[in-house]
Amino acid sequence: GENVEQHPSTLSVQEGDSAVIKCTYSDSASNYFPWYKQELGKGPQLIIDIRSNVGEKKDQRIAVTLNKTAKHFSLHITETQPEDSAVYFCAATSRNYQLIWGAGTKLIIKP
Amino acid sequence: GAVVSQHPSRVICKSGTSVKIECRSLDFQATTMFWYRQFPKKSLMLMATSNEGSKATYEQGVEKDKFLINHASLTLSTLTVTSAHPEDSSFYICSAEAGEGGSTDTQYFGPGTRLTVL
Repeated sequence: GENVEQHPSTLSVQEGDSAVIKCTYSDSASNYFPWYKQELGKGPQLIIDIRSNVGEKKDQRIAVTLNKTAKHFSLHITETQPEDSAVYFCAATSRNYQLIWGAGTKLIIKP
Repeated sequence: GAVVSQHPSRVICKSGTSVKIECRSLDFQATTMFWYRQFPKKSLMLMATSNEGSKATYEQGVEKDKFLINHASLTLSTLTVTSAHPEDSSFYICSAEAGEGGSTDTQYFGPGTRLTVL
């Protein structure tokens, strides 16, 4: 079936360094790839998304890259700050337009 | 913009009672709303998809008589957990999607409801 794999499950980086989270998807028909940030006890918050007609998108310190041929997409956070600590989820569309979710990455920013 | 609210944020109930959770899109009309369940340190598990004015579509393994969903307007969907049992204790999150269907639009999530069944 359709699935999304996300790595790593936990990522610890020094404050100010960059963090990269990678996802691969199985359905070649997927055309929408959002990234969500979830803080403890809260709902997921959309931080950036990308559609299949674009290879890269950037919003200040956050960027997403998409390689449709390889079926993978990545989240890049530069100049990390303590408030970036959270769990990050990637997702990709399924054939019935629902989202297939990655397992999540716990990002820890060390001061 | 794109704010989704959920109420209550936290509820504790006795086994056998029913609990209703409301999900509202505050500044946009949501043609489609989704209900998710999330276990500790796990990803989101889609329970059902609801479109305004029609019956919800439940995912495999989700009992529709147990988790009643009503999407009566373009800004409100409710999830009722009927005859709740301790195994129903979880974090329930709704999301709302604008757009006209037929493609994937951005899902905006509510803050979640923590249900504890004693």
